[in-house]
Amino acid sequence: RKEVEQDPGPFNVPEGATVAFNCTYSNSASQSFFWYRQDCRKEPKLLMSVYSSGNEDGRFTAQLNRASQYISLLIRDSKLSDSATYLCVVNRNSGNTPLVFGKGTRLSVIA
Amino acid sequence: DTAVSQTPKYLVTQMGNDKSIKCEQNLGHDTMYWYKQDSKKFLKIMFSYNNKELIINETVPNRFSPKSPDKAHLNLHINSLELGDSAVYFCASSQIETGRYQETQYFGPGTRLLVL
Repeated sequence: RKEVEQDPGPFNVPEGATVAFNCTYSNSASQSFFWYRQDCRKEPKLLMSVYSSGNEDGRFTAQLNRASQYISLLIRDSKLSDSATYLCVVNRNSGNTPLVFGKGTRLSVIA
Repeated sequence: DTAVSQTPKYLVTQMGNDKSIKCEQNLGHDTMYWYKQDSKKFLKIMFSYNNKELIINETVPNRFSPKSPDKAHLNLHINSLELGDSAVYFCASSQIETGRYQETQYFGPGTRLLVL
């Protein structure tokens, strides 16, 4: 099983749609979880950290299910500018261990 | 102000050559990283330095040698370049607090290396 697995997409959605991405991770000891965003030919940038209780930042909601080792990202009211690749990121083990990046899910928001 | 910068942005070279990529961060972070993103867009860590000391080396060929002259700089030297080294190399930095979990990493713009 890969350390971090994501559906690669692409997800093609109309503006205003709600879209959800899922991610699973293999190591139950992982403690840090993030969603990063990477635009075409650009560097990854932090979108949001993911906390056990779930967290929301504007149109973006992240959820963590430790029992199922599953992370999700929900984007409401999609904008054209949301088009990007969304990377699920988990630390390899507990504490200050390397981040492991998923291959990313590509989102295209269409007018 | 650029937080994490890399030079060069593009690098085209012949097989067998030796090349270096430079990285600098002005965030005051104590930890820096090198990542490789291949043609399949898979981003993998190569090295990590904390306060100029190597703390992670992810079974990277010894043709790759990182050097950290101070905690704001982490350079990557590659000897005897091979076709398979073609990729985008990203530098990143973060601030690791003792006893805390992994913190946010800030990435540089990337260096696109093409080996012919």
